[in-house]
Amino acid sequence: SQQGEEDPQALSIQEGENATMNCSYKTSINNLQWYRQNSGRGLVHLILIRSNEREKHSGRLRVTLDTSKKSSSLLITASRAADTASYFCATDAVRGSNYKLTFGKGTLLTVNP
Amino acid sequence: DVKVTQSSRYLVKRTGEKVFLECVQDMDHENMFWYRQDPGLGLRLIYFSYDVKMKEKGDIPEGYSVSREKKERFSLILESASTNQTSMYLCASSLPPPFARGLGEKLFFGSGTQLSVL
Repeated sequence: SQQGEEDPQALSIQEGENATMNCSYKTSINNLQWYRQNSGRGLVHLILIRSNEREKHSGRLRVTLDTSKKSSSLLITASRAADTASYFCATDAVRGSNYKLTFGKGTLLTVNP
Repeated sequence: DVKVTQSSRYLVKRTGEKVFLECVQDMDHENMFWYRQDPGLGLRLIYFSYDVKMKEKGDIPEGYSVSREKKERFSLILESASTNQTSMYLCASSLPPPFARGLGEKLFFGSGTQLSVL
């Protein structure tokens, strides 16, 4: 099954720096999503980018998608300690007339104050 | 505010017990999902449901069953719990793609149930 793989597995930066996380996948997709998970909690949707889009912004988040390389990146600018969390990419796998997401293993981001 | 509620935050069960994990959503979503999350393995899909009484196997359905008798409620059942089912279980819901495949809709997650099987 197709699956996003995040890179790096862990990232530690100082507050105010930018954080970049990458996601690679294996087969063609219709869209790619990024989620965030605080320790021991559920996932929260951050942003969705469709296969015909190359870049998308939401506040301090910037997502790019390169379908020729089957990869995406998530950039968090001017990071804050509160951004400390795990970040997951998820790719779609349409089954019949319904919709299913497959998640990668995540990048653990630590932002030091 | 949209909400997906999982009945228990922490659960401890004995090997061989029948375990029910309950999930309720208040968003009138057609799709509901059960994932398990383990360190180093990420999230893996156990089962999903796209309508009342409808279900499909995910990537790791062995040892689990599900029930969807009402649109808002999706239950995960461990018929005979085993120690390798110790995990964080996450429920999620979403709308189906509007009118066409692959347009995608975001998932709303519950807070998770940390299940320990002793």
